[in-house]
Amino acid sequence: SAVISQKPSRDICQRGTSLTIQCQVDSQVTMMFWYRQQPGQSLTLIATANQGSEATYESGFVIDKFPISRPNLTFSTLTVSNMSPEDSSIYLCSVADTYDQPQHFGDGTRLSIL
Amino acid sequence: QKEVEQDPGPLSVPEGAIVSLNCTYSNSAFQYFMWYRQYSRKGPELLMYTYSSGNKEDGRFTAQVDKSSKYISLFIRDSQPSDSATYLCAFLNDYKLSFGAGTTVTVRA
Repeated sequence: SAVISQKPSRDICQRGTSLTIQCQVDSQVTMMFWYRQQPGQSLTLIATANQGSEATYESGFVIDKFPISRPNLTFSTLTVSNMSPEDSSIYLCSVADTYDQPQHFGDGTRLSIL
Repeated sequence: QKEVEQDPGPLSVPEGAIVSLNCTYSNSAFQYFMWYRQYSRKGPELLMYTYSSGNKEDGRFTAQVDKSSKYISLFIRDSQPSDSATYLCAFLNDYKLSFGAGTTVTVRA
C-alpha cells in the first residue's frame, strides 16, 4: 500500500492562529480524505479532498474553518483556522484508489491549542 | 441509536489467549466491513477487509460478518504482547467510512 507522510507530526499553537498540515503520498491516488480524532473518541470524516476542485465537507465542518487544497494526485493540505482549544485533536489524512477500496492512513498530526 | 456500536473494553488478556472483539451496526447500506489496528501515536492500520457474510482468515486473525444480525467480530488467536493496541471496526458505504469508538487490548506477557 501507499506510504503516507504527514507534516508536522505534532505542534502546539496559540489560540487565534492557523496551522497548515501537509499530506504527501508516494504514489498517485484517486481519493484523499481528512479526519479528526478527538481525545478518547473515534475518527470523524472532515472532508474529501478532490483534485482540481473544491473539497466536499461533511456536516458540521465548513470551508472557512478547514480550508483544503489538493493541487495534484499525491499531495493535499488541511488548514485549521482561527484555532481554539476545542480544535485540540489528532488530524489524519487517508487515501484510497477507488470509492469501494479500504482507506490507508498516515500517522496523524497531534495538535494542541493553548 | 448510534450507527456503530463497539464493545468498549478495555480488555486485558494473558499471552496466548483468544481475543474476541465485536461491533454492531444499524445502517443496512454498509457494503464493506473492516478492522483497523491503531498503536499509540500511530495512524490506523488496516487488518481485515471483507464484503460478504461469513468468516475470513489471515494468519492469527479471523473476521466474521453476519449481515442478517448486523454484527461483525474479530478474533485474534494465540495473542502476543505485540497485539496490544486499540482495534477499530469500520464500515464503508460509497466512500464514507464510519468507525466504532475502539477497543483497547492489552496482552500480558
